[in-house]
Amino acid sequence: AQSVTQLDSHVSVSEGTPVLLRCNYSSSYSPSLFWYVQHPNKGLQLLLKYTSAATLVKGINGFEAEFKKSETSFHLTKPSAHMSDAAEYFCVVIAKNTGNQFYFGTGTSLTVIP
Amino acid sequence: DTAVSQTPKYLVTQMGNDKSIKCEQNLGHDTMYWYKQDSKKFLKIMFSYNNKELIINETVPNRFSPKSPDKAHLNLHINSLELGDSAVYFCASSHGRVNTEAFFGQGTRLTVV
Repeated sequence: AQSVTQLDSHVSVSEGTPVLLRCNYSSSYSPSLFWYVQHPNKGLQLLLKYTSAATLVKGINGFEAEFKKSETSFHLTKPSAHMSDAAEYFCVVIAKNTGNQFYFGTGTSLTVIP
Repeated sequence: DTAVSQTPKYLVTQMGNDKSIKCEQNLGHDTMYWYKQDSKKFLKIMFSYNNKELIINETVPNRFSPKSPDKAHLNLHINSLELGDSAVYFCASSHGRVNTEAFFGQGTRLTVV
């Protein structure tokens, strides 16, 4: 079975400080993992993806994530938060054995304080 | 040249009505999906089609019927709308191979009154 757990439903940071959004996964197979961002009243945009290549993945807008198999984690980080980063973030795992179904975490709402 | 486009973006309708949401992708993908996002932002798969064939059909009321006339289109028809159907519905597409991301439409906000 595949699933992801986003450990924080809300994260609040000050502008210019680091961002850490946590995600743990469960997968019967070698997983493919993604982070998507959803700005208010917008669709979902891919931030970055892990597909069994390099474990440290760089994405758009300065975000990156590290795949740690021993910890079954795929945490999203950014060195310095910007006001435009305020959004909902989803960690997603793909399930090879169920028709490539994408399993979404429950989301983490990021607030950036000026 | 939007990759995945849904229409309409907003839909307000009365209980008991029948409505459709259309989705088209111009990415050449062979797999398309419908997701429902509830008021708590949780996204749940409803249907998935690969090459016009249904491959995922989660526990969704029979009032929801997807239709895929070709690989580039996956429409969602909803009969006898209920208040609980109010949500944002997202269409998505992917290559259908493992390791590839899905591309999402902008969503359709359905409000049933």
